[in-house]
Amino acid sequence: SQQGEEDPQALSIQEGENATMNCSYKTSINNLQWYRQNSGRGLVHLILIRSNEREKHSGRLRVTLDTSKKSSSLLITASRAADTASYFCATALVNTDKLIFGTGTRLQVFP
Amino acid sequence: AAGVIQSPRHLIKEKRETATLKCYPIPRHDTVYWYQQGPGQDPQFLISFYEKMQSDKGSIPDRFSAQQFSDYHSELNMSSLELGDSALYFCASSLVPVDTQYFGPGTRLTVL
Repeated sequence: SQQGEEDPQALSIQEGENATMNCSYKTSINNLQWYRQNSGRGLVHLILIRSNEREKHSGRLRVTLDTSKKSSSLLITASRAADTASYFCATALVNTDKLIFGTGTRLQVFP
Repeated sequence: AAGVIQSPRHLIKEKRETATLKCYPIPRHDTVYWYQQGPGQDPQFLISFYEKMQSDKGSIPDRFSAQQFSDYHSELNMSSLELGDSALYFCASSLVPVDTQYFGPGTRLTVL
């Protein structure tokens, strides 16, 4: 079964609104990373949050991590049409260096 | 800043042919990862190398092999290609294992 599951699967908002995406996972992790992918293109790294961290910010991005609930959220504030993409969470499990990706959230921001 | 380089960017092969994908990590990165992303799916881990040694292995078919060379670049060799091998293949690199992984632009493999 999937290590990481994201919800919603799809999200449509207007420019200027905030977008929140959630990620849940099953087993203990070293860190959790968020990536953005434009249709059929490469994966762009957004932010990494370690298992001993609870919140990180980067520009308009805010990521939280709750290891007790095995969940993370990505908040994009004041969204722009250019934020339209798929967003994936990826977990680095303990004792391994591979990333296991979630199912992704497709974000559409309308101008 | 230098990024991960992958070549070729697009590759079209016939069934049962072989393919070689190349990856050049970010300078000073000694860990390389390979992922496969099928249409509409999330990326799936294939294999990784640290200091030229295989460090982890995922759901990589026996028809695939990979290695990391002395200059840290890596190659993914795929033989007896099947239609289901059509996918985006990503290489990623990190400065050390269990750190931020930076992805290349991917190689889109189409098997006809």
